[in-house]
Amino acid sequence: GQNIDQPTEMTATEGAIVQINCTYQTSGFNGLFWYQQHAGEAPTFLSYNVLDGLEEKGRFSSFLSRSKGYSYLLLKELQMKDSASYLCAVRDSNYQLIWGAGTKLIIKP
Amino acid sequence: GAVVSQHPSWVICKSGTSVKIECRSLDFQATTMFWYRQFPKQSLMLMATSNEGSKATYEQGVEKDKFLINHASLTLSTLTVTSAHPEDSSFYICSARGRTSGKTHNEQFFGPGTRLTVL
Repeated sequence: GQNIDQPTEMTATEGAIVQINCTYQTSGFNGLFWYQQHAGEAPTFLSYNVLDGLEEKGRFSSFLSRSKGYSYLLLKELQMKDSASYLCAVRDSNYQLIWGAGTKLIIKP
Repeated sequence: GAVVSQHPSWVICKSGTSVKIECRSLDFQATTMFWYRQFPKQSLMLMATSNEGSKATYEQGVEKDKFLINHASLTLSTLTVTSAHPEDSSFYICSARGRTSGKTHNEQFFGPGTRLTVL
């Protein structure tokens, strides 16, 4: 079966750095996505990785290792507004998005 | 760019009535639209995928006669929840993928969601 694993919840301090991991087992691979979802709102796109390595976009970076079936989202200089759920999703060989359950990130002052 | 709107943002209806939710891509051609449902504190659940001009492909366990999806144009898809019941109360979110200026998107762009409450 297809599976995306990510921690259910994480807590971090304002101004710090946090890394949210995602491991996947899917039938084929055509890219990995990270989305941010604030409570009661729809997801917003953060990043897309299809090749191994690190993609940096401002305070957010996303890393992919296809051989390990592993990705992480790195958030630097955390702000209170970063409190949200972070969803990892993998596009499989049928170009279907397989979604993780999301990681709820709690930022404390 | 790549904005998706959804209407209404929230709706309350009586049990047994039907509710239509509209999803529009405002500045790009949405060749594929997705409809999701999300219950509180749970992950997104894909209900169906629709390509413009074609019948929607429903996920296992989703009743196609209850959740009618129409994707008649490159900018509009509708989801109609027929004979709604309290257990249909949920957050319904559409997303779209397509092309802008001839370039195909990798990512899906989400609408703001519709919160449905069935009394």
